[in-house]
Amino acid sequence: AQTVTQSQPEMSVQEAETVTLSCTYDTSESDYYLFWYKQPPSRQMILVIRQEAYKQQNATENRFSVNFQKAAKSFSLKISDSQLGDAAMYFCAYRSAPNTGNQFYFGTGTSLTVIP
Amino acid sequence: DAGVTQSPTHLIKTRGQQVTLRCSPISGHKSVSWYQQVLGQGPQFIFQYYEKEERGRGNFPDRFSARQFPNYSSELNVNALLLGDSALYLCASSLAALTAAYEQYFGPGTRLTVT
Repeated sequence: AQTVTQSQPEMSVQEAETVTLSCTYDTSESDYYLFWYKQPPSRQMILVIRQEAYKQQNATENRFSVNFQKAAKSFSLKISDSQLGDAAMYFCAYRSAPNTGNQFYFGTGTSLTVIP
Repeated sequence: DAGVTQSPTHLIKTRGQQVTLRCSPISGHKSVSWYQQVLGQGPQFIFQYYEKEERGRGNFPDRFSARQFPNYSSELNVNALLLGDSALYLCASSLAALTAAYEQYFGPGTRLTVT
């Protein structure tokens, strides 16, 4: 089975600074999708950014960008110009391709604190 | 537009009992997925349903079952509850299940406590 590892249980960043959250995964598949989700204290999970494995270009969404290293099986999230509203639990997730089970696998999460 | 809704919000059950959790997807969404999130951990995939058919299943015992109705709402059933079933159960909906445009929208969850 695929595994997703987030080695940083907690991270903190000064407001307006940049922070990078790490994620590695293990898979033998060549076709898959990677995601970062944000879960604020209110607990509703929100999609932050998505990356298709077949795309070499790193995904970006405003202040959020990823560094996708397929060979290294690494998928880190960079948050630029951090804001107080970015404080949340961040989960890295892997989704198998539809023809291989279509399952989602989540990491254990990184709790991000933003310091004013 | 209403987001994904789940009911009930909280639930307390006794070991050995059965529980049914409900989920209504966003209007127009045909796929519903269920996740179990134990405190301090990431969500674990239980099921995905699309067009009323099971399209994906996680590593959960047969005590867990689900179904999707013609209006695309879904129920998750758990029989013979164990203490370890205590968790936040999340439902997520998406437009489709088998396309690359697979953005999931999560509901607020149902907090199940088994005593």
